[in-house]
Amino acid sequence: ETGVTQTPRHLVMGMTNKKSLKCEQHLGHNAMYWYKQSAKKPLELMFVYSLEERVENNSVPSRFSPECPNSSHLFLHLHTLQPEDSALYLCASSQDPAGESYEQYFGPGTRLTVT
Amino acid sequence: GQNIDQPTEMTATEGAIVQINCTYQTSGFNGLFWYQQHAGEAPTFLSYNVLDGLEEKGRFSSFLSRSKGYSYLLLKELQMKDSASYLCAVRDSNYQLIWGAGTKLIIKP
Repeated sequence: ETGVTQTPRHLVMGMTNKKSLKCEQHLGHNAMYWYKQSAKKPLELMFVYSLEERVENNSVPSRFSPECPNSSHLFLHLHTLQPEDSALYLCASSQDPAGESYEQYFGPGTRLTVT
Repeated sequence: GQNIDQPTEMTATEGAIVQINCTYQTSGFNGLFWYQQHAGEAPTFLSYNVLDGLEEKGRFSSFLSRSKGYSYLLLKELQMKDSASYLCAVRDSNYQLIWGAGTKLIIKP
C-alpha cells in the first residue's frame, strides 16, 4: 500500500464514547500532522509530530489526544466529544517541515459525526 | 493575526481560462502552496512559490508577489475534472502552514 492511509473512513460516535483514528504513511517521511476540516472553513492544524516528538498542538481541547509510536503511525484518541467536533479529520505527512519545497501528502480523511 | 483570503466560489466554462486569487497577511513568509481538493477526497499538492514570479506546470501556473502579499493560480484549457476546491496556504516564520478556506471552482460545459 502506498501514500497515506486513514481508518476508519467514517465514524459515528456518541458524546460519551471513546474511539481512535489511525493514520499510516508509507512515504518514509519524518513529520506527521492532524488537521480538522469543517465546511467552508480553513484547515485547522491540530497536532504536528516531527521525528516522533510533538512540536505543536495549537491549543486543542484535551478531549483530543494524539499518539505517535513511530514515524509511520499516528493516532488521534477521542473521548467525550461535542457535536461541534463533527468534521473531516485529515492526516498528512511530509519531510522536514523546514525543508525547501516540502509538500504535505494527505490521507483520505475520517468523516466524524458526533451525536 | 494571520489571514489568508480567497474567493469562496468561482464558475468557468470548459476550455476557458480561470484565475484564482489569494492574498495573505502572515507572521513571516517561507513559501506559498496551492492544493487541489475534489469533493470527498484528500487535498493534493499543485504548486509551490517562494520567489516572486510565475511557476508553470502544464495547464496550471502559479504567480507570487511577496511585496503585495498576493498569489494567483491560473488554470488553462479547463476540463470538467478541474471542478474542485483550490486551497491556498502560506508557510509562516514557524514553518507551519496557514490555510485559506478554499475556492470552489465549478466548470460548466
